[in-house]
This record gives sequence, C-alpha cells and structure tokens, in this order.
Amino acid sequence: DTAVSQTPKYLVTQMGNDKSIKCEQNLGHDTMYWYKQDSKKFLKIMFSYNNKELIINETVPNRFSPKSPDKAHLNLHINSLELGDSAVYFCASSLNAGGLEQYFGPGTRLTVT
Amino acid sequence: DQQVKQNSPSLSVQEGRISILNCDYTNSMFDYFLWYKKYPAEGPTFLISISSIKDKNEDGRFTVFLNKSAKHLSLHIVPSQPGDSAVYFCAASGTNSGYALNFGKGTSLLVTP
Repeated sequence: DTAVSQTPKYLVTQMGNDKSIKCEQNLGHDTMYWYKQDSKKFLKIMFSYNNKELIINETVPNRFSPKSPDKAHLNLHINSLELGDSAVYFCASSLNAGGLEQYFGPGTRLTVT
Repeated sequence: DQQVKQNSPSLSVQEGRISILNCDYTNSMFDYFLWYKKYPAEGPTFLISISSIKDKNEDGRFTVFLNKSAKHLSLHIVPSQPGDSAVYFCAASGTNSGYALNFGKGTSLLVTP
C-alpha cells in the first residue's frame, strides 16, 4: 500500500514532445511537492501545493506546469521537452505546509532524446 | 548557490564501526535540519531531524549533532550495519524559504562486512 506513488517510473521521449507525470498520496497530507534531481545529483524543489493552492514556485521554466485536481494529487505537465529536462523527478508530501518531514515517491526517470 | 553542502561524496566503513557523515550550511536563517536516506531506484526516506534550538538528537543507532556557530551538522551511525549502505542527504529549512527543503548533494555510505 504505497504512500506516495508516481507514474510512470520511466519515461523516454523526444525533444519537443509534451508529457505528464502523475503523483498521488494516500496519507491524507495537505501539502505536496515536486523535486528535480539532475545529473549532478542535486535535489531541488520545483513546486509546492498546499490544499490545491500553489505556495512555492521556484525558478522553473514556464514549460513546467503543475496541476493539483485535489489535495491527494499533484501532476506535472511539461511542454516542449528539452534535453536538459532529463532528470529524475520526485513527488513528495507532508502533513501540512510547515511539516518538514516529507514523504517521497519512488521517482520518475525522464530521458529526453 | 548551494546552501547545503556535503563535501564527502562517499564514505566506506567497516561493519560495527561508527559512520560519521558531515554537512555544512551557509544560510543562518535555517532552523530545522533533516537527514534522508536513499536506496537506488527509490525515493529518499526520512531518517532523523533536529531543530536549531537543540544540539543533539538521538534515535536508536542514529544521532544528529548540530553546531550552529560553525553552521555544521553531522550524522553518527553506531554501530554501522551493511543495510545502512545508501546515499544520505542532509537537508535544511527555514521560515524564510517557505519550508522548502534545501538538500545537499548526498554522501554515499558503504558499510562492508
């Protein structure tokens, strides 16, 4: 019974395509996040939603658009994919916006060719 | 502008001995620090945390020490076990960062039998 799940686990696509990554948590948490781990292994926050509202929006290209249909889901849509978007994307959740113990999903490895 | 630094990319320790993982930070506004453990192809999992009002927190074999004046924290694992072999990420947060976690680059720990 996975707490934070992501689909797909692997995604290989060509430059210029549009793709989405889905995330769901069954922990009843109010806050969800997207992180990007690049080739240098840096894990960086991209977005955070609290109760479906955007609360953190780091310097991320406009091609990335998060969508939270309800507080259990936070999807990431990426338009016009570029080679530099290749990374592992992690979804996470916490009890609330001040909840620093975050629970991470298994990651989605995106490869753009 | 990496605000959390883990200068040792890897560490090898014999089973039964102490593992010491180090982390430095630059932002004096950080007031909460966490350690995450990550196995290959999995998301990071929360291990232990410490608030800036404390200098030590212990949980079983894991102890985190915080030296605020030096902006330094360390994770001690005693005794080390082969199952502890993983990548350990240090993370820091503060109210001025909107509670977003700022991660270090990680230290890969190998515990040999």
